Amino acid sequence: KAGVTQTPRYLIKTRGQQVTLSCSPISGHRSVSWYQQTPGQGLQFLFEYFSETQRNKGNFPGRFSGRQFSNSRSEMNVSTLELGDSALYLCASSLLAGGVEQFFGPGTRLTVL
Amino acid sequence: AQRVTQPEKLLSVFKGAPVELKCNYSYSGSPELFWYVQYSRQRLQLLLRHISRESIKGFTADLNKGETSFHLKKPFAQEEDSAMYYCALSGQNTGFQKLVFGTGTRLLVSP
Repeated sequence: KAGVTQTPRYLIKTRGQQVTLSCSPISGHRSVSWYQQTPGQGLQFLFEYFSETQRNKGNFPGRFSGRQFSNSRSEMNVSTLELGDSALYLCASSLLAGGVEQFFGPGTRLTVL
Repeated sequence: AQRVTQPEKLLSVFKGAPVELKCNYSYSGSPELFWYVQYSRQRLQLLLRHISRESIKGFTADLNKGETSFHLKKPFAQEEDSAMYYCALSGQNTGFQKLVFGTGTRLLVSP
């Protein structure tokens, strides 16, 4: 089985712009979670989607949003980018929701100038 | 609040030496505890979870509810164990799919 894929792998944006990141889960997986990884804050949960519904959300401002499509692919959007949004954004998928192993993608490295 | 603490940023040992990576947690109730590992230029992957009580690549971890700890141990370190290790928890209080990660410990095994 192919692993979790994320596109693009690298992005450079300027302050004030918006960005959309994409995640394709492992085939058959219906749950997708997003994490932000920074040197200062480590790995922090953004949100989780299951069957096109957001089930859980972390402590991030409303500029961070996401969605999931019927084929379980997910996108996350960050509007009005700030310098502090520079991070590695990781996507993880799992077969079902709740307490099961999550498989991580390689991440998208976002740099905000 | 749910929290995972990994007190060591870096742990450096020689090949063949025992390894213990410390993890303490704060959680009201019964969490699920995990160890994730990230080898150089590879993606984050699950190493083990306390429910399965497995030994993976020679690593074991025992959940100590009294001390709220989930330390990762290996009796004889190998050079290929060099990686970044993250302790994480999830549970009903966090929403099961949400992993709360520690800040990670870099393990460096020298020949």
